[in-house]
Amino acid sequence: DAKTTQPTSMDCAEGRAANLPCNHSTISGNEYVYWYRQIHSQGPQYIIHGLKNNETNEMASLIITEDRKSSTLILPHATLRDTAVYYCIVRFPGYSSASKIIFGSGTRLSIRP
Amino acid sequence: EAEVAQSPRYKITEKSQAVAFWCDPISGHATLYWYRQILGQGPELLVQFQDESVVDDSQLPKDRFSAERLKGVDSTLKIQPAELGDSAMYLCASSLVDRASDTQYFGPGTRLTVL
Repeated sequence: DAKTTQPTSMDCAEGRAANLPCNHSTISGNEYVYWYRQIHSQGPQYIIHGLKNNETNEMASLIITEDRKSSTLILPHATLRDTAVYYCIVRFPGYSSASKIIFGSGTRLSIRP
Repeated sequence: EAEVAQSPRYKITEKSQAVAFWCDPISGHATLYWYRQILGQGPELLVQFQDESVVDDSQLPKDRFSAERLKGVDSTLKIQPAELGDSAMYLCASSLVDRASDTQYFGPGTRLTVL
């Protein structure tokens, strides 16, 4: 079972910041928070990941609470192309069987013009 | 930018027939994954390879599914015989063997419809 809880759906106006929440209250000390998204009829796409510090890249920012029990993915200026299902995942880094990605149902983000 | 290639993109078959999907990972990626995604759900890992060896196939229905990566590069996933419940998107992903960079890159998937 997925270790995260996300809202089923959200919407955001184009040009505004989209803030996607994720709860992961059972996260262990060495597990990272990863975000992927899946645009309709495509494979999932990696967005960002972090352990405990806030992270930012060209796509998004990741804010992790101090207790690490929740996080927020921020798309600073949402565009119509950001319409997708966003998956919040908790996992150990690496490539062993213990590091496998377990996807939940994700949040369906709709960007309105 | 290098991409994971999959073929075919779409496959329609009748139940009890055999089907096969092919995946070519990004060059240099030693780890390869096959996922199944049922409509409305997130992808579920079926099998993971490290080079030509299976790392995890605990969720692979071995009575009808098989996967191979003979030379540690491209891979084939086979279903024989196909059942109605196998209708889904089959995704392939690959990643480097590098703890500092374990991003999985996904292909476009093969959408299977079993009639």
